[in-house]
Amino acid sequence: AQKVTQAQTEISVVEKEDVTLDCVYETRDTTYYLFWYKQPPSGELVFLIRRNSFDEQNEISGRYSWNFQKSTSSFNFTITASQVVDSAVYFCAIKAQGNTPLVFGKGTRLSVIA
Amino acid sequence: KAGVTQTPRYLIKTRGQQVTLSCSPISGHRSVSWYQQTPGQGLQFLFEYFSETQRNKGNFPGRFSGRQFSNSRSEMNVSTLELGDSALYLCASKGLEHEQYFGPGTRLTVT
Repeated sequence: AQKVTQAQTEISVVEKEDVTLDCVYETRDTTYYLFWYKQPPSGELVFLIRRNSFDEQNEISGRYSWNFQKSTSSFNFTITASQVVDSAVYFCAIKAQGNTPLVFGKGTRLSVIA
Repeated sequence: KAGVTQTPRYLIKTRGQQVTLSCSPISGHRSVSWYQQTPGQGLQFLFEYFSETQRNKGNFPGRFSGRQFSNSRSEMNVSTLELGDSALYLCASKGLEHEQYFGPGTRLTVT
């Protein structure tokens, strides 16, 4: 069975600070996929990124960056120069190969204060 | 392309009633998954449909059922509603690269 742990339940930062959201996963599969989703107060889950298990290259997209390390089973998400609009609940998820569902962590609620 | 749409957005039902929720996936997507989100249990997988066939099911009682139509639209039904069924029900359609795109959800309140 797969499992995702997001140890940080809530984080509060002041605008323009950098913040890292932690994600640790467990899986016995050699091929798997990792995801980050953002859930703003409206409730819709917004897809942010997908990373394949065989691709450990880190990725940067604007103020967002992701650090994937198979050695520590972690897939952390950093927001640089946070903004109030970044306030949301962020979910990390894992999916095995094939017709399998997403398995989500419990989420981290990020509050960015102006 | 239009995103995933879900109707209704909000619903209030009484214990013992049944409810049907609807989801229209992104055009061209043939896979639809349903998830239940509650404060206590988080996001939990209900079932997945592909080409009108259920091909995956989560650990939920038989009161939760679903179906998919030939146009890929999907419905889920919950019979004999219980207070614990109050939740945000999210539908997702899957593209070719495993990522799932979610709709805005239906917030169900059971009183």
